[in-house]
Amino acid sequence: QVQLQESGPGLVKPSGTLSLTCAVSGGSISSSNWWSWVRQPPGKGLEWIGEIYHSGSTNYNPSLKSRVTISVDKSKNQFSLKLSSVTAADTAVYYCARLDSIAARPKGFDYWGQGTLVTVSS
Amino acid sequence: AIQMTQSPSSLSASVGDRVTITCRASQGIRNDLGWYQQKPGKAPKLLIYAASSLQSGVPSRFSGSGSGTDFTLTISSLQPEDFATYYCLQDYNYPRTFGQGTKLEIK
Repeated sequence: QVQLQESGPGLVKPSGTLSLTCAVSGGSISSSNWWSWVRQPPGKGLEWIGEIYHSGSTNYNPSLKSRVTISVDKSKNQFSLKLSSVTAADTAVYYCARLDSIAARPKGFDYWGQGTLVTVSS
Repeated sequence: AIQMTQSPSSLSASVGDRVTITCRASQGIRNDLGWYQQKPGKAPKLLIYAASSLQSGVPSRFSGSGSGTDFTLTISSLQPEDFATYYCLQDYNYPRTFGQGTKLEIK
């Protein structure tokens, strides 16, 4: 059973950098899956931030691309999110998730972390 | 970016009711669509992938249909644990985009 666990500071100052890590257990980050970050502002809907493959290939949401970096650490079986120049609008629950696939076609986000609330405030 | 429009935004129904939620894509996305259920304070849960395939472990009262631009999620007989918010997500191209959500409430 694959499990994902987010970790990182719950409070970030405006103009600072949000940094989160997602630890993967029960499976290998080097499997044939994309690993994503999704966020949800309080009381609002879901927004896909971006994803990474174990090779280091990434895809980002253009709305955040200039501020986002997603990286992978295969030795620790984890991947990370950095979001720079944050504002109050970046306050959200941040989820990591695994995208399953079959025959190179997407099968949806089948495993999720429990989510971590990051508040941007001075 | 492909826009995903869900309807209705909210819905009141009773246990045992049949419920349908729709999702419309701003352009064709083949069948690259998933449906997710989210309960308060919890991560979303995958119900349906590839528009109509039931995720392992999900009750058979959930079903999905559609292709191209128009998709539906149907719950054949609502159970108390089904009251939640439902989202569609297109996997067709980047950026991946979610619908705005449908909140299903108890009547």
